[in-house]
Amino acid sequence: SQTIHQWPATLVQPVGSPLSLECTVEGTSNPNLYWYRQAAGRGLQLLFYSVGIGQISSEVPQNLSASRPQDRQFILSSKKLLLSDSGFYLCAWSLIGELFFGEGSRLTVL
Amino acid sequence: AQRVTQPEKLLSVFKGAPVELKCNYSYSGSPELFWYVQYSRQRLQLLLRHISRESIKGFTADLNKGETSFHLKKPFAQEEDSAMYYCALRSGGSNYKLTFGKGTLLTVNP
Repeated sequence: SQTIHQWPATLVQPVGSPLSLECTVEGTSNPNLYWYRQAAGRGLQLLFYSVGIGQISSEVPQNLSASRPQDRQFILSSKKLLLSDSGFYLCAWSLIGELFFGEGSRLTVL
Repeated sequence: AQRVTQPEKLLSVFKGAPVELKCNYSYSGSPELFWYVQYSRQRLQLLLRHISRESIKGFTADLNKGETSFHLKKPFAQEEDSAMYYCALRSGGSNYKLTFGKGTLLTVNP
């Protein structure tokens, strides 16, 4: 069966520091992968999606970037975090229209 | 551009009462709509999709193209239905990109 893992679960970082959140999917090949940000009162905002290795589409201009170095690995990064980057980040993969979400990573930027 | 609107941030009902979570959308094409649910300390997961036309945990949702709505309904709410509910719309193409509403937090009181 397919599983999705993302880590770390919780992260506290100072402003200006770098960020790396990782997500891996097991049990499927060539999945579509997504990074969403969940914020109170704002719902779920799609940040990036990828349909294959090295293929990244960005939905909103921001301080973040994404990479897909391997088929089942999706990484969310920043070179210098801003206070506004705080939030709950969700990785997901899709199968026939349904999204399967990871457990999320809570980022607090101080 | 597609948009999903959930007008109620919070909804509180008593156990056994009917519940309706509202969702309206705007999309120029033929929409595919979903309801996702996030129970406390659990992952965000699919509740139902309009093309399935099925009832899940007593919930149903009918796509009304005339009113551009996809309201989620249950005739008799249960305490375990308390959760955050998100309505989502899928855009066309093979990337299975979902646009989410801001969510409605449902609380079912005993």
